[in-house]
Order: sequence, then C-alpha cells, then structure tokens
Amino acid sequence: DVKVTQSSRYLVKRTGEKVFLECVQDMDHENMFWYRQDPGLGLRLIYFSYDVKMKEKGDIPEGYSVSREKKERFSLILESASTNQTSMYLCASRGVREANYGYTFGSGTRLTVV
Amino acid sequence: SQQGEEDPQALSIQEGENATMNCSYKTSINNLQWYRQNSGRGLVHLILIRSNEREKHSGRLRVTLDTSKKSSSLLITASRAADTASYFCATDGAGSYQLTFGKGTKLSVIP
Repeated sequence: DVKVTQSSRYLVKRTGEKVFLECVQDMDHENMFWYRQDPGLGLRLIYFSYDVKMKEKGDIPEGYSVSREKKERFSLILESASTNQTSMYLCASRGVREANYGYTFGSGTRLTVV
Repeated sequence: SQQGEEDPQALSIQEGENATMNCSYKTSINNLQWYRQNSGRGLVHLILIRSNEREKHSGRLRVTLDTSKKSSSLLITASRAADTASYFCATDGAGSYQLTFGKGTKLSVIP
C-alpha cells in the first residue's frame, strides 16, 4: 500500500517562527499536494507539485511556500507563522498512472500558532 | 475553482439503516470521487466514478452520477457504527491534476 507520512501529528509554534511541515511518500508518485482543513471551510488547496522541482499555487498560497527537491518529499513552509495559520494540514500524493485511483492522504498535522 | 457541495451537512441514523449523501458541483468534470475522514485523521479514498459512468458499486457503497444535473449521491447500505465519519466528494476538471473538495457530510451511526 502507498504510504504518505507526515512528520508530526501535533505541532505548536510561536507567531513569527518559520515552520516546516514535511511529507514523504514511498510509492514513486509524481503528484503531491498540500491542503489545509478548517471547520466550515472544508479542504483548501495551498500548493501542489506535478513532479520533482515543480510547484504550482493552489487556491490559498499566501503566507506559504513549498519545496520539492526529491520526488518522495514535499515540504510546506510557513515563512512567518501567524495565528490565522492554525489549522489541520493534510498532504496527499497520486501517481500519474493511477489517475483513476484517487489521492492517498497522510494522517495530517494539527498546527497551533500561539 | 469549482467545488462540490455536500448535502446534508450532518446526518444521524440508526445502525442497520441506509445513509444517503448528495454532492453538487458547478462545472464539467473528468471524474468524481468520494472520501471518508475519521475524526482528526487523514482522508481515505472510497470510490471514483468517471464522467461517462452513471452508477458504481463497491461493497456496501453505491455511487451515482448525473452529469446533466451536476450531482452525485453516495449510498451506504446497512450502516454500522464504524461508518461514523465525515464524507467528502471531490471533483477534477479537464486537464487538471488537482481535486477540489466539498465541505463534507458528517455521518453519525447510532448503535
């Protein structure tokens, strides 16, 4: 089975800190995605990556950046964390050969910015 | 971006009953998918239906798609307490790598 691993389940950071959220997948998937999930707003796409070293903005990229130096790893960076970035962050991946099989999600990182 | 909208927002049923959730979307799609999320966890892919399909089954799940009405439904038959979760529909458009998710239906199955 494909496994998508997010480095932390829970994270507490201070306002202004630079925060790194790591996501690793083990099935050689080309596509990787970062979403945030908030009550009443559902899942919103922050950034995605078609392949290594490629990245595209999603619907809410402001305040975030990403890095995809290796195919298996997709990092989300909060340049200067703010309290409105307190949220559940979900990473997902999908292989282009598996376009009809849906995304595989990690377990999520619940980030609290104080 | 297009977005699916699930209906109802919350649903509470007795174990053994059927649960039906609906999803509407705005623009043309390649396929529509349903996901499940247990509290505080990641999403799990349940089933995908392509735009040229009208109905699909997987175990106790039945999904229908009506592209003329831009809507889909997910039926869970003979529900179990373990089916308690939030259910999301997601759509992708032509040439798009990304899925757009609805806000979900929270299903509670009472033992």
